[in-house]
Amino acid sequence: DAKTTQPNSMESNEEEPVHLPCNHSTISGTDYIHWYRQLPSQGPEYVIHGLTSNVNNRMASLAIAEDRKSSTLILHRATLRDAAVYYCIPSGAGNMLTFGGGTRLMVKP
Amino acid sequence: KAGVTQTPRYLIKTRGQQVTLSCSPISGHRSVSWYQQTPGQGLQFLFEYFSETQRNKGNFPGRFSGRQFSNSRSEMNVSTLELGDSALYLCASSLAGWNTGELFFGEGSRLTVL
Repeated sequence: DAKTTQPNSMESNEEEPVHLPCNHSTISGTDYIHWYRQLPSQGPEYVIHGLTSNVNNRMASLAIAEDRKSSTLILHRATLRDAAVYYCIPSGAGNMLTFGGGTRLMVKP
Repeated sequence: KAGVTQTPRYLIKTRGQQVTLSCSPISGHRSVSWYQQTPGQGLQFLFEYFSETQRNKGNFPGRFSGRQFSNSRSEMNVSTLELGDSALYLCASSLAGWNTGELFFGEGSRLTVL
């Protein structure tokens, strides 16, 4: 399985953009990059996933480096509801979805 | 549409007992996977079922088992409970599997072993 490195925690101000980095230098060519988040006392929630190209959805954007060894989850305007633990998970066929420690995002009003 | 439903939400057992947890996936979803979450180990994959067959298995002892029924509902069983089995057990469903996109998680069953 590809190893990931994420900051333990990050802080953001409300209504400002947040860039959550993830290093996955051992990712294989067919591994997708998944992002999930877990709000307090809830199960994880899907955020976004991608393979090579940058991806956008209603929740966030995913910027994937050209060499695919890192990616950045972008929340365009953080709200208090975005305070959660964010998990970056590279995985592909034959591997399991393995959650690491994630990044705890704190949003200040 | 209804989300993933897990029952029971909370339960307390004693060492040596066994427990069965239930998961009802989103209608139409054929893949159900189970995770254990503890403060020390984080979220760990237990197993995945697809169309009643176990397709993937994590690194857990044989005391942990599961099954999936023809209606895609799934159960997991833990026998001979140990204190270390105290955890939040999460179930997730998807149309075809974790690597094809979005997993939908339930709120979990919190097991306390005394």
